[in-house]
Parts: sequence; C-alpha cells; structure tokens
Amino acid sequence: GQNIDQPTEMTATEGAIVQINCTYQTSGFNGLFWYQQHAGEAPTFLSYNVLDGLEEKGRFSSFLSRSKGYSYLLLKELQMKDSASYLCAGTDSNYQLIWGAGTKLIIKP
Amino acid sequence: DAGITQSPRHKVTETGTPVTLRCHQTENHRYMYWYRQDPGHGLRLIHYSYGVKDTDKGEVSDGYSVSRSKTEDFLLTLESATSSQTSVYFCAISESTDISPLHFGNGTRLTVT
Repeated sequence: GQNIDQPTEMTATEGAIVQINCTYQTSGFNGLFWYQQHAGEAPTFLSYNVLDGLEEKGRFSSFLSRSKGYSYLLLKELQMKDSASYLCAGTDSNYQLIWGAGTKLIIKP
Repeated sequence: DAGITQSPRHKVTETGTPVTLRCHQTENHRYMYWYRQDPGHGLRLIHYSYGVKDTDKGEVSDGYSVSRSKTEDFLLTLESATSSQTSVYFCAISESTDISPLHFGNGTRLTVT
C-alpha cells in the first residue's frame, strides 16, 4: 500500500534547531514535497526533493534518502512564526500526491 | 502568490441540500484539484481536472461531482450534503503533474448540520 508517516506533534524552543521526519511507501516514487500550513490558512510550498541529498533554502533544508524511503525537514534558528503544521507529500509513479497527516510544530519562547 | 480564489469562505448548510463550491484562478494553469482536509488525515483528493471538460476522480470522490467549463473555473458540487462532508475544502492549481508544486486557495469551511 501507499503510506506517508510523520510525527503528529513536536515542540521546540525559539532559536533552536528542529528536524521533522517523514517516511514514505509509494508505488513508484517521483519526488517528495514539504509544505507549511499555519492554522486556518492554506498550505504553502517549501521544498521539493527528487535526488538523494540535502537541499538548502535559507533557514530551511530538506533531505531525501530514496533507498531508505526517508526525508526530513530541518528548521534552523527557529522563530515564533515557524509555529505551524508541516506536511510531507510523496509522488507515486503516476505523479499523484500521497499526503501525510502533518506535523504540528509548537515553538516555545 | 498564485491567483486562486475560493468562494464561499464559510458555509453552513443542512443535510440533504445541494452545495456548490467555486474555485477561480487567474494563472491559466492547466491542472486544478479539489481536496478535503480533516483532523488526523492528510489532504485527500476528491477530483481533479487536466483541462476544460477533462476531469477524473480522486480517492474520496463518492458524493461529489465537478465541472470545468472554462480554464479558470473549477466547481465542486455536493449533490446532497451529509454530515460526513463537514470539512475544510481546498482548491489547488499546478502547471503540470510532475515536479510543479501545488498552489492552494484559502479554503472553504463547510459545516453540514
């Protein structure tokens, strides 16, 4: 079957670093997306990985290991505005998106 | 930001009534999608469109129909609303189906009483 797993909730401290993990099982694989969703708002695109390795975009980085079916989103220098849900989505062989339930990240001062 | 507008933003309706949600885009993107989002679930695809009059079912299409008569408009209809269709509905657009990210509308919160 097809499945995306990510932790339900995580807590971190302002200024710290947090890593949000995502494991996937899809029939075929054509890349993995990360989206950010603030409460009551629409998801917004953060990153896309299709090759193994780390993609860095400012304070946010995303990593992919295709052999392990594993990705993570790394957030550095956490700010209060980073409090949000982070959605992981894998693409199957037909480029259909399979979504995780999201990780709610709580930032404490 | 991608130009996507959903209407209405909020709606309360009674069980058994028909409901139509509208998604309007100004980006001229070929692909449009309707998702629902419920607590504890990932976004679930209801229907999608790959062109005018070209639509297909997603994983949770029962009880829903769609229409796309113009590139910019994608309508989602609940023929006879049920309480299980209480949800937040998101429309999304993309340029293609491969590596293009989705751009989402602001969502419609639908409550069926």
